[in-house]
Amino acid sequence: EPEVTQTPSHQVTQMGQEVILRCVPISNHLYFYWYRQILGQKVEFLVSFYNNEISEKSEIFDDQFSVERPDGSNFTLKIRSTKLEDSAMYFCASSLQGSEQYFGPGTRLTVT
Amino acid sequence: KNQVEQSPQSLIILEGKNCTLQCNYTVSPFSNLRWYKQDTGRGPVSLTIMTFSENTKSNGRYTATLDADTKQSSLHITASQLSDSASYICVVRPGGGNKLTFGTGTQLKVEL
Repeated sequence: EPEVTQTPSHQVTQMGQEVILRCVPISNHLYFYWYRQILGQKVEFLVSFYNNEISEKSEIFDDQFSVERPDGSNFTLKIRSTKLEDSAMYFCASSLQGSEQYFGPGTRLTVT
Repeated sequence: KNQVEQSPQSLIILEGKNCTLQCNYTVSPFSNLRWYKQDTGRGPVSLTIMTFSENTKSNGRYTATLDADTKQSSLHITASQLSDSASYICVVRPGGGNKLTFGTGTQLKVEL
């Protein structure tokens, strides 16, 4: 069964550094999403992406964040200058028609 | 503000017993409501999706109900198994958008 994959599973970075989280969505899916989950808190929507552009974003997704689909298979989330409060689990998801979303296993980001 | 509230926050039951989890939402306009199962350190996995016109939907031992008038949903788990131990998250999709609103989840533990 096709699934969403994410790399790395765990990323440790120093405050102020740039990080890129990578996702490979399910191959025939057209909608892509990033979510984050701070430890012990609920999952929060960050951004949705369709037709090579951002279709919706939350107030969390500020100028420090960007997304890209560089090669037709990968979907990346970049955080330009990480802060301590960016430490969280980041989930990528994809869907075929904007309905059922399939989540990846997540990348745990630790900012020190 | 769109919100999803769940109860109880946590629940411990014996293997083989049934349980019911509750969800109340204020998301408007409403498109659909989903229940996800999230194992520790993993991405959410969809159990059911219900639209406005659906009152109940089953997936194996999981049965979800929806009352769109009172904006309440429940997830009933029958004959619980140890592997049911996880967080169960109620998620609402608003009409006209892909920005899912997540509840904080009910942490279920099934014991021998």
